[in-house]
Amino acid sequence: DAGVIQSPRHEVTEMGQEVTLRCKPISGHNSLFWYRQTMMRGLELLIYFNNNVPIDDSGMPEDRFSAKMPNASFSTLKIQPSEPRDSAVYFCASGFSYEQYFGPGTRLTVT
Amino acid sequence: QKEVEQNSGPLSVPEGAIASLNCTYSDRGSQSFFWYRQYSGKSPELIMFIYSNGDKEDGRFTAQLNKASQYVSLLIRDSQPSDSATYLCAVGHYGNNRLAFGKGNQVVVIP
Repeated sequence: DAGVIQSPRHEVTEMGQEVTLRCKPISGHNSLFWYRQTMMRGLELLIYFNNNVPIDDSGMPEDRFSAKMPNASFSTLKIQPSEPRDSAVYFCASGFSYEQYFGPGTRLTVT
Repeated sequence: QKEVEQNSGPLSVPEGAIASLNCTYSDRGSQSFFWYRQYSGKSPELIMFIYSNGDKEDGRFTAQLNKASQYVSLLIRDSQPSDSATYLCAVGHYGNNRLAFGKGNQVVVIP
């Protein structure tokens, strides 16, 4: 099994630009989670999906963030427009029941 | 009060000793408890989970759960330099797949 796949692994962009992060979950997992990790705030849940349906998006910071899961094998997290305070590592995780398995993450730097 | 707390600062242990990590949680309805290991620059990796009161052993790792006192701990026996990492405690609730994470404890094993 290839594990959770995320792309890109690193993204550097200028303030105001649109950023799209991509995730392919482990086949057979029915839940998908987007997290953000910073030194100050630790690991924060942004949104999660069950069977491709968004269940809890209370962690999404503001309207600049949006996430989609058009099918069981693909999800995107979009930030538009990006701001320097969005700089962080963004993880996608997939799972079944309570267990979650993380992808390698995308390190986002907004200048 | 934070949902999941890991208050100890960095933990330094000599190689071969036992490392002990503690985590407390605020929601008495919590049902599932996890320990993740995160190496610097890498993603969290699930190493242990426990659902029932008592101890659960897996190799050199032992997870201990006490629901009455609302704490979960992780013991690492015969600590190795490869155990040097940040350990994240995570707690799940009945009825949804969301996990709440603590901020983590750094462990440094000194050869």
